[in-house]
Amino acid sequence: DAGITQSPRHKVTETGTPVTLRCHQTENHRYMYWYRQDPGHGLRLIHYSYGVKDTDKGEVSDGYSVSRSKTEDFLLTLESATSSQTSVYFCAIRATGSGEQYFGPGTRLTVT
Amino acid sequence: RKEVEQDPGPFNVPEGATVAFNCTYSNSASQSFFWYRQDCRKEPKLLMSVYSSGNEDGRFTAQLNRASQYISLLIRDSKLSDSATYLCVPSRSNDYKLSFGAGTTVTVRA
Repeated sequence: DAGITQSPRHKVTETGTPVTLRCHQTENHRYMYWYRQDPGHGLRLIHYSYGVKDTDKGEVSDGYSVSRSKTEDFLLTLESATSSQTSVYFCAIRATGSGEQYFGPGTRLTVT
Repeated sequence: RKEVEQDPGPFNVPEGATVAFNCTYSNSASQSFFWYRQDCRKEPKLLMSVYSSGNEDGRFTAQLNRASQYISLLIRDSKLSDSATYLCVPSRSNDYKLSFGAGTTVTVRA
């Protein structure tokens, strides 16, 4: 157990509304990641963070922003949700040294 | 060319059988590899890490072929609980991002 929690676990929202997903870790890992997973696409990186206030874009960052004001929390915001952002969102941390990533339980987001 | 390619399957095998599948990767600089298993509607979980030519953990064996740029995963004596999607992930030491394959689905039947 890598001590990663995500909230909310499920959310239904309407098109055009802002949504924030939270990832919380308890083990002080430097690197944190947000992925989305859709059928036929596998896991795709949205944004990642390499420290407090240090973030960078992944391959599918359009429409998403992130913030990391504390080591333990990494927030993903959908500025104006669209139906194409209906997906399962996973947060992950990178273990120091090994490069292995460990995932949170996921957030299932539906945009209607 | 995709960085990681996996046969999506599904591989349908009876309990007790051996099943093996490959993952090809395009970046020859990949130094280590991870296999994750993912159950339906759950998060990926690390199954095995490969830092040299291969690794073995119980009924699971990973074998790396650097010359042909593929890594295989073999499952012996399959159990019903092995039914899952297996994700292949190459890793490079100077890159903190991972590229995940889309996965190979294995279904073990009684």
